[in-house]
Amino acid sequence: QSVLTQPPSVSGAPGQRVTISCTGSSSNIGANYDVHWYQQLPGTAPKLLIFGNNNRPSGVPDRFSGSKSGTSASLAITGLQADDEADYYCQSYDNNLSGWVFGGGTKLTVL
Amino acid sequence: QVQLQESGPGLVEPSETLSLTCTVSGGSISRHHWSWIRQPPGKGLEWIGYVYRSEYTKYNPSFESRVTISIDTSKSQVSLRLSSVTAADTAVYYCARDALGQLAHTWFDPWGPGTLVTVSS
Repeated sequence: QSVLTQPPSVSGAPGQRVTISCTGSSSNIGANYDVHWYQQLPGTAPKLLIFGNNNRPSGVPDRFSGSKSGTSASLAITGLQADDEADYYCQSYDNNLSGWVFGGGTKLTVL
Repeated sequence: QVQLQESGPGLVEPSETLSLTCTVSGGSISRHHWSWIRQPPGKGLEWIGYVYRSEYTKYNPSFESRVTISIDTSKSQVSLRLSSVTAADTAVYYCARDALGQLAHTWFDPWGPGTLVTVSS
């Protein structure tokens, strides 16, 4: 059971907008630690998608955006494309663990 | 550009020790925390622990009794040893660098491509 909670799956049609939630607690997201997001395509290592809650690395389209409020964070993807189909993970730091924690991952299906 | 590459046996027998090495190229190994993260087949990511320089290590309590992470700065390598393995330790093991050189607000970038370790007799 992951420290950060994500929905197991989300889906949307091409062109639509989807959001993926990441719920934590007062020892991680609620303790004001940043949330980061990764995209993992099948058979590959996770790739950084969003860092510091809402920042995109160079090369990541602005269709991807992040937000954080209280003990939760969200990843939004607009203008869904077929190659957005992947697993998405959130990550933060946890006081109780004195280390890093991940969400359980969300599988995005583009219908 | 920093690149990471994991290496080690792809098959380990139950009760034995899993040993992996991560070779770092293109950057300094001294300024960042180096983590091992694993992903069982079809499951999510799990942080195992980190090493910082040769002085500091921190392990996920889930592994603390049987894990050792070490660093060899002369070879630019980070090592993982996980003892008393069972089938539940079958996973892709990744090494990753923290991006900021600090603990609290950092993220993992880059990652190695990962290496699959199967625990089976």
